Amino acid sequence: DTGVSQNPRHKITKRGQNVTFRCDPISEHNRLYWYRQTLGQGPEFLTYFQNEAQLEKSRLLSDRFSAERPKGSFSTLEIQRTEQGDSAMYLCASSLTGVLNEKLFFGSGTQLSVL
Amino acid sequence: AQRVTQPEKLLSVFKGAPVELKCNYSYSGSPELFWYVQYSRQRLQLLLRHISRESIKGFTADLNKGETSFHLKKPFAQEEDSAMYYCALSGQGAGSYQLTFGKGTKLSVIP
Repeated sequence: DTGVSQNPRHKITKRGQNVTFRCDPISEHNRLYWYRQTLGQGPEFLTYFQNEAQLEKSRLLSDRFSAERPKGSFSTLEIQRTEQGDSAMYLCASSLTGVLNEKLFFGSGTQLSVL
Repeated sequence: AQRVTQPEKLLSVFKGAPVELKCNYSYSGSPELFWYVQYSRQRLQLLLRHISRESIKGFTADLNKGETSFHLKKPFAQEEDSAMYYCALSGQGAGSYQLTFGKGTKLSVIP
């Protein structure tokens, strides 16, 4: 499968614990996005990278959230001191720059449950 | 602030009947609009974008700036159209690459 890959698919954690998710974009894509989706809602933008540079961050991204994309390849999203409100599906997407109205390719997501 | 409204959570139609999924938006600039679709147990994927003026799987969508709408239409629904549909808006013209999604409409096509 040459699509966007996300790991793990599911994560169950206790409140207060730290979690980290990984996203591997399509290899030639230089843009990478993180979204969060809760039940009954559409995806909400969290942050965006172009290569290794984090260019946009949503106000939804509190200080407990941090994202990295070292070397402009895979990306990680870490949530520190998780809260029950962090329970959601975390989606990663990638796209190729230079294409007008570029098409986002989404991964299958990581479902986080905070107990 | 940009906002996308999809007024229907669920839309049920009979096979062969016309389909219209409504989408209204709020954006101060020139919007870029998209429809994304998620079939059962599949990933979210792009269906169509207004700038391309394309028809995908028989679906079309016209941007109406006067009514700030981007409704998705298909003249004859098929069972395989049953899915979750999301309307999305991009502020690319203002240098932002974030997509703002609506809450989605679940389309159910009854055989």
